[in-house]
Amino acid sequence: KNEVEQSPQNLTAQEGEFITINCSYSVGISALHWLQQHPGGGIVSLFMLSSGKKKHGRLIATINIQEKHSSLHITASHPRDSAVYICAVSHNTNAGKSTFGDGTTLTVKP
Amino acid sequence: KAGVTQTPRYLIKTRGQQVTLSCSPISGHRSVSWYQQTPGQGLQFLFEYFSETQRNKGNFPGRFSGRQFSNSRSEMNVSTLELGDSALYLCASSRDSNYGYTFGSGTRLTVV
Repeated sequence: KNEVEQSPQNLTAQEGEFITINCSYSVGISALHWLQQHPGGGIVSLFMLSSGKKKHGRLIATINIQEKHSSLHITASHPRDSAVYICAVSHNTNAGKSTFGDGTTLTVKP
Repeated sequence: KAGVTQTPRYLIKTRGQQVTLSCSPISGHRSVSWYQQTPGQGLQFLFEYFSETQRNKGNFPGRFSGRQFSNSRSEMNVSTLELGDSALYLCASSRDSNYGYTFGSGTRLTVV
């Protein structure tokens, strides 16, 4: 079992739909990151969370430390949101070490 | 402010050769991490340097090594290249491990 599990692996939505991507982890963490990767490889860091909830525009990220679970929500999805979303955790026992989920490929159709 | 700069962007090498990739972090960032991304394995952590010291290392063979200079620029080296080393190599920088990190655009290495 991977230390970081994401679901779903693939997600197709219609423009305007509310989207949720889930991430569960099994190691102790100091922070959890949500990353976005567009075709071509560029990776953008969307959120870094250690507790609670963060919001940036149409994106919301939550984390439940006790349940070792995080969710990334996209409201009013748009075709430009189509990308791979990756959950990554920073280990609390090894500062600087990160483990990544396999990513969720999101396609938003107009 | 300038982002994380990786050079070169693309590289083609022959099996058995060695390669050095460079990463210049954002000014003021002392932590530089390296990652390998392949279609089969996804993103995998290679190693992390902070103030010229390797703090963490992923599960990669000793052919993969790195270093960090006093100006925080980092290099990674892969010796005796294998076909399976073909990948996108990404580096990311941050102030420290409790801060968010910024990725470079990556170096796409092809081993033939």
